[in-house]
Amino acid sequence: KQEVTQIPAALSVPEGENLVLNCSFTDSAIYNLQWFRQDPGKGLTSLLLIQSSQREQTSGRLNASLDKSSGRSTLYIAASQPGDSATYLCAVTQGGSEKLVFGKGTKLTVNP
Amino acid sequence: GAGVSQSPSNKVTEKGKDVELRCDPISGHTALYWYRQSLGQGLEFLIYFQGNSAPDKSGLPSDRFSAERTGGSVSTLTIQRTQQEDSAVYLCASSPSGVGTEAFFGQGTRLTVV
Repeated sequence: KQEVTQIPAALSVPEGENLVLNCSFTDSAIYNLQWFRQDPGKGLTSLLLIQSSQREQTSGRLNASLDKSSGRSTLYIAASQPGDSATYLCAVTQGGSEKLVFGKGTKLTVNP
Repeated sequence: GAGVSQSPSNKVTEKGKDVELRCDPISGHTALYWYRQSLGQGLEFLIYFQGNSAPDKSGLPSDRFSAERTGGSVSTLTIQRTQQEDSAVYLCASSPSGVGTEAFFGQGTRLTVV
């Protein structure tokens, strides 16, 4: 059974700092990995989608990497801003399945 | 529409009543998913539709839960005889064609059973 773990569960940083969020998964047979953000009381906003054949994806200040063989992904946020404060979730689509398996998220607080 | 739309945004119901939650996916998306997010818990998969068919309903927690999708578009999640443990945020997502394509989520329906 696929399990997704995100460390740390919570992170607080000063504005302007570069930071890394970690995601690990137990079964490397995935189709893809997706990073989302969730603001309090809101749904999920898709940030980046990495296919299993890709190593990384970039969007603005965000860069996500994927090492499928070791079961790891990182989300790098450059020059963090208070508006980046949210819970960040990673999810994998398991080979042979259509469903996304989620981690429990990292709650990020960026202090002005 | 521009995004995935869910209604109602909030629903309070009495224990034992039936509820229906609605999801309007992004136009043209063939894949549709329902998830549940309980307080302090991760997102739990409920059911997946491809068109009007549900090839994976393995996440439905009991036979009180059912879902349908009509016209390859709108989906309804029905919970019969609601229990307090059904209280959660129910999230719907759609993607262009399922596996390998990006999933987009709605804002969710917060269900409270009192």
